[in-house]
Amino acid sequence: AQTVTQSQPEMSVQEAETVTLSCTYDTSESDYYLFWYKQPPSRQMILVIRQEAYKQQNATENRFSVNFQKAAKSFSLKISDSQLGDAAMYFCAYRSGYGGSQGNLIFGKGTKLSVKP
Amino acid sequence: GAGVSQSPSNKVTEKGKDVELRCDPISGHTALYWYRQSLGQGLEFLIYFQGNSAPDKSGLPSDRFSAERTGGSVSTLTIQRTQQEDSAVYLCASRTAGALYTGELFFGEGSRLTVL
Repeated sequence: AQTVTQSQPEMSVQEAETVTLSCTYDTSESDYYLFWYKQPPSRQMILVIRQEAYKQQNATENRFSVNFQKAAKSFSLKISDSQLGDAAMYFCAYRSGYGGSQGNLIFGKGTKLSVKP
Repeated sequence: GAGVSQSPSNKVTEKGKDVELRCDPISGHTALYWYRQSLGQGLEFLIYFQGNSAPDKSGLPSDRFSAERTGGSVSTLTIQRTQQEDSAVYLCASRTAGALYTGELFFGEGSRLTVL
């Protein structure tokens, strides 16, 4: 079974600085997708960024980028120029590339990010 | 509405009572998921619906939990004889059929259940 581990329960960053959230996963599959979701206090999960395992290039979405190390099974999220609105829980998630999983996501336990003004 | 709608937003109940949580997915989204988020934990998969196919109930923690989806749209998660360990936020998510491989799920704001 696949597992996702986020080793940092809480992180803090100064506004305008850069922070990196860690995520590792365990799988024997070769085809999969990785995601970072943000959960603000409103509780609504929002997709931040997605990475296909077959792509070597790291995904980037504006101030958000990932460092995908397939051999190490590592998928960290970098937030540049942190803003107060980035404060939230961040969840790393794994999705099998095989249809039998029905598109279900396997989530880590999350990292709570605080942004200091 | 434009997003996934869940009700109630908050529910406090006494141990042993039954509760129903409702999810109204985005119009046109054929797939619907229920997750449970307990304090300090990640999201735990409960059940999955896809169109008219039989649901995947593999994540339901006990036979006190059940869910249905009527007309391929609204879903209701029912917890019978609630226990204190059922206290959690219950999140519903939906996606289009075409997003099976892109993986983007659209989530509601969840229903926070507190069992006294």
